[in-house]
Amino acid sequence: SAVISQKPSRDICQRGTSLTIQCQVDSQVTMMFWYRQQPGQSLTLIATANQGSEATYESGFVIDKFPISRPNLTFSTLTVSNMSPEDSSIYLCSVAQGAGNTEAFFGQGTRLTVV
Amino acid sequence: GESVGLHLPTLSVQEGDNSIINCAYSNSASDYFIWYKQESGKGPQFIIDIRSNMDKRQGQRVTVLLNKTVKHLSLQIAATQPGDSAVYFCAESHHSGGSNYKLTFGKGTLLTVNP
Repeated sequence: SAVISQKPSRDICQRGTSLTIQCQVDSQVTMMFWYRQQPGQSLTLIATANQGSEATYESGFVIDKFPISRPNLTFSTLTVSNMSPEDSSIYLCSVAQGAGNTEAFFGQGTRLTVV
Repeated sequence: GESVGLHLPTLSVQEGDNSIINCAYSNSASDYFIWYKQESGKGPQFIIDIRSNMDKRQGQRVTVLLNKTVKHLSLQIAATQPGDSAVYFCAESHHSGGSNYKLTFGKGTLLTVNP
């Protein structure tokens, strides 16, 4: 399975500021995804990071709030913009591998606290 | 979207016992299912997967059962160990063969193994 590294692993940020989270994979992958996991809850897909084109966002998530970059097949960034305390969550990068790109593996996550 | 509560379903077992964690899914078109284990402070870890053309799949100490008729998935852990204590999530996908593979996660179950 791919090894996925996220940076930072955690951060405490002031409201109104922005944070960019990096996701690096040790092999080329076609599909990369960003998820949010609010405290004590399950994972919700934010968007699919498409290499060379704009990300595909899920309902309830918009590019202005969560801009995503995917410059190549091993790297992606997620920015959480104009943060508020409601954005305090774990943000997780995921990649799909295996036959048919079905097996999804996750990074260790970025724990964000907005104060 | 799916509504989730602040409290996870919990399962408490004695070390050495077998554990069964259940999951109900809603999309009858889902054709691929994964179980994840998430330990505190870590990202979800892939445990085992199953496709809709199967009703049972076994791994090392784990078995996944799929009942498509009632849209139910279960994870059985044999001889549960303290290291199995974690939150377990089921995830479903409808892999249409297009470029937008994505997972929908269940609420999660907290497994506690007592020594």
